[in-house]
Parts: sequence; structure tokens; C-alpha cells
Amino acid sequence: KQEVTQIPAALSVPEGENLVLNCSFTDSAIYNLQWFRQDPGKGLTSLLLIQSSQREQTSGRLNASLDKSSGRSTLYIAASQPGDSATYLCAVTTDSWGKFQFGAGTQVVVTP
Amino acid sequence: GAGVSQSPRYKVAKRGQDVALRCDPISGHVSLFWYQQALGQGPEFLTYFQNEAQLDKSGLPSDRFFAERPEGSVSTLKIQRTQQEDSAVYLCASSPWDSTNYGYTFGSGTRLTVV
Repeated sequence: KQEVTQIPAALSVPEGENLVLNCSFTDSAIYNLQWFRQDPGKGLTSLLLIQSSQREQTSGRLNASLDKSSGRSTLYIAASQPGDSATYLCAVTTDSWGKFQFGAGTQVVVTP
Repeated sequence: GAGVSQSPRYKVAKRGQDVALRCDPISGHVSLFWYQQALGQGPEFLTYFQNEAQLDKSGLPSDRFFAERPEGSVSTLKIQRTQQEDSAVYLCASSPWDSTNYGYTFGSGTRLTVV
């Protein structure tokens, strides 16, 4: 059974520092991996989608890498801002329908 | 609509009461998922629809949970005889046909509290 782990569970950084969030998964036979942001009391906002054939995706200050063989993905957020404070979740799909297996998330606080 | 809409946003139910949670996916989206998110945890899969067909309901916790999507658009998740352990946020997500390439759009969820 696919297991998705996110480390650390919580992270606090001063504004301007770079953020590094880790995600690992046990079954490398994935279709894709997606990073989401969740604000308190809200749904999930998609940040980046990486196909299994890709190594990384970038959007603005966000960069996500994928190493399928080792079962790892890393989300980098450059020059963090207080508005980046949220919970970040990674999820992998292991079937063609796209059913997600989520990690428990990393709660990020960026202090001004 | 522009996004996935879920209603109600909040629901308080007395233990033993039946509840119905609604999801309006993005127009034209073929795939629809329901997830359950307990406090401090990641979402857990409940069930999946492709148009009106329920292709996977392996995540439904018990036979008190039932989901339908009769016309391939709006979906309803029904929970009968609610229990305290059903308290969670219920999230709906939809995607175009090629979900593995385009990913999913999530709604804001329904927070269910069973008292």
C-alpha cells in the first residue's frame, strides 16, 4: 500500500528565507505527484503538478522536483513571505483514474 | 461555474441524524472524487465517479455512507445515522477527462460536526 510521508510536520522561518518541504512515497509506480496549499478552514489549492516522466516543475517562486526512483519530491519556495503561511500537502496518484494518496502535510509559518 | 462548489459549508448534526452533502463540480468535468479530512491529517479517499458511474467506493468507511451522481454532474454524499467519528471536513474534487495530466480542482469542503 502506498504510504506518503511529509517531513517536517511543522516549520517556522523568518520572512525572506527559502523554504524546503520534503515528501516521500513508498511505491515508485506513480502517475503524477501534486503539491497543494491549504489555508485554515479552506479547501486545497493546486500549486504544481509533476508528471511521472518529469523531473521538476516551476511556477514563480515555487519549484518542485521529483525523483521517482527514490520516492522523493521536494518543494522549494524562494524568498518566503508571510502570505506563504499555510499547510502544504503532497499527493501521489497510483492509478489511471487519479485517486490521490496524501501526506499529512507540513504546516508552515513565515514570521515578518 | 468557475470552481467546485460545495454546500453547506458547515453542518452540525446530532448523533443519529442523517446528512446530505452536495458537490457541484466544474461544468464538463468527467471525474469527481470525495475525500474525508480529519483534523490535522491529509485527506483520505472515499469514492470516485466517472460521469454517473461510481467506479471505486473502496474508501467509504461503512455502509452508512452512500454517494451518488445520477446525471454525471452534481454529486451528493449521504451519511446515515451519523456518529461522532464522522466529524471531519468532506472535500470534493473534479477533473477533466485526462486527470493524470491536468490534476484536480478541489472545493472548499463541508465541515461536519456531529454532537
